[in-house]
Amino acid sequence: QQPVQSPQAVILREGEDAVINCSSSKALYSVHWYRQKHGEAPIFLMILLKGGEQKGHDKISASFNEKKQQSSLYLTASQLSYSGTYFCGLQDDGGNEKLTFGTGTRLTIIP
Amino acid sequence: DAGVIQSPRHEVTEMGQEVTLRCKPISGHDYLFWYRQTMMRGLELLIYFNNNVPIDDSGMPEDRFSAKMPNASFSTLKIQPSEPRDSAVYFCASSYGRITTIYFGEGSWLTVV
Repeated sequence: QQPVQSPQAVILREGEDAVINCSSSKALYSVHWYRQKHGEAPIFLMILLKGGEQKGHDKISASFNEKKQQSSLYLTASQLSYSGTYFCGLQDDGGNEKLTFGTGTRLTIIP
Repeated sequence: DAGVIQSPRHEVTEMGQEVTLRCKPISGHDYLFWYRQTMMRGLELLIYFNNNVPIDDSGMPEDRFSAKMPNASFSTLKIQPSEPRDSAVYFCASSYGRITTIYFGEGSWLTVV
């Protein structure tokens, strides 16, 4: 079952913050976040494992709440280069390696 | 290091023709994934292999689709016969280990007319 992402699309001015949410109806083992620019392959951002951790690098961070089966991606002080479509990929707690991607959130940063 | 290499990058074919997409995973990676991306359905996992063995093909839409991985450095996704609704970007991806970064190729853009 496909994870649900929200919002579907967001437009920000450079310097503003954004939060992208990802939720699942299944128990999760890990959450992966990817960014894809138009016409390109998805690029890995980070993985969070079961345990409720939070990760981040530069101005992009994420949290994982396994009890709520949710993850959120935080982009602070957004830059033009952050534009693209963000996908969460979820691995359920059933022991398999399948990564099921969400519907995507299109982020547009304007000057 | 070379990334995941896919060919062809673009293909336009007529309905009913056979289409073969090719993938060379990153050397040393033991997982290979085939995804399909469309506007309507997003990124869908079609099939994945571990050590050249198909593990889960539940995402393969129909018998018209087949995938093989004859060795650790090569995989194919075949569509026969192709239909216009197969038009999409097909991504191959690979990874090392169960829960780890998945690296995507640049995709094969397929148009069936």
